[in-house]
Amino acid sequence: EAEVAQSPRYKITEKSQAVAFWCDPISGHATLYWYRQILGQGPELLVQFQDESVVDDSQLPKDRFSAERLKGVDSTLKIQPAELGDSAMYLCASSLMDQETQYFGPGTRLLVL
Amino acid sequence: GENVEQHPSTLSVQEGDSAVIKCTYSDSASNYFPWYKQELGKRPQLIIDIRSNVGEKKDQRIAVTLNKTAKHFSLHITETQPEDSAVYFCAAFLRGNKLVFGAGTILRVKS
Repeated sequence: EAEVAQSPRYKITEKSQAVAFWCDPISGHATLYWYRQILGQGPELLVQFQDESVVDDSQLPKDRFSAERLKGVDSTLKIQPAELGDSAMYLCASSLMDQETQYFGPGTRLLVL
Repeated sequence: GENVEQHPSTLSVQEGDSAVIKCTYSDSASNYFPWYKQELGKRPQLIIDIRSNVGEKKDQRIAVTLNKTAKHFSLHITETQPEDSAVYFCAAFLRGNKLVFGAGTILRVKS
């Protein structure tokens, strides 16, 4: 069964450093999402792509976060500079189309020291 | 604002008993309501979902009911087993076609 892939699984960094996370969605899924999940809470959408275009980045802190999906397949989420409050699980999900079932990757757990 | 409220935040049941988790949503136009199970350190996994054109859906020991008038939906797990212990999240597509999650329910099944 096809799954969403993410790497790295864990990342420890110091504040003010740059970090990057990678996501490979299920083959053929046009819509890709990046979520942030703080311990004890539900996932919160950071950015949504339809193919290579951003359709919603209203909750993305654009002064330090950026996301791209250049060829409409895999995607990268970057944080620069990282802050202590960025420590969380970063989840990628994909769906065949918008408003269809979303399938999640294993996540990248980020710890900022 | 747009939100999904979920309760209880923790639920402890005896093995074999039933568990019910309830969610309410704010947008009457919402039409899709998935439930995810997340085990410690693992990805959220879809366990069941329902669309607004039906009132109930069942899959073995799991069922979801939807009351569009009252804007609430519930997850029912019967004959609970220790492996059902996890965090359960409800979600709803709200205005802007964004999937909004509840805060989660920690379910503990005691054997």
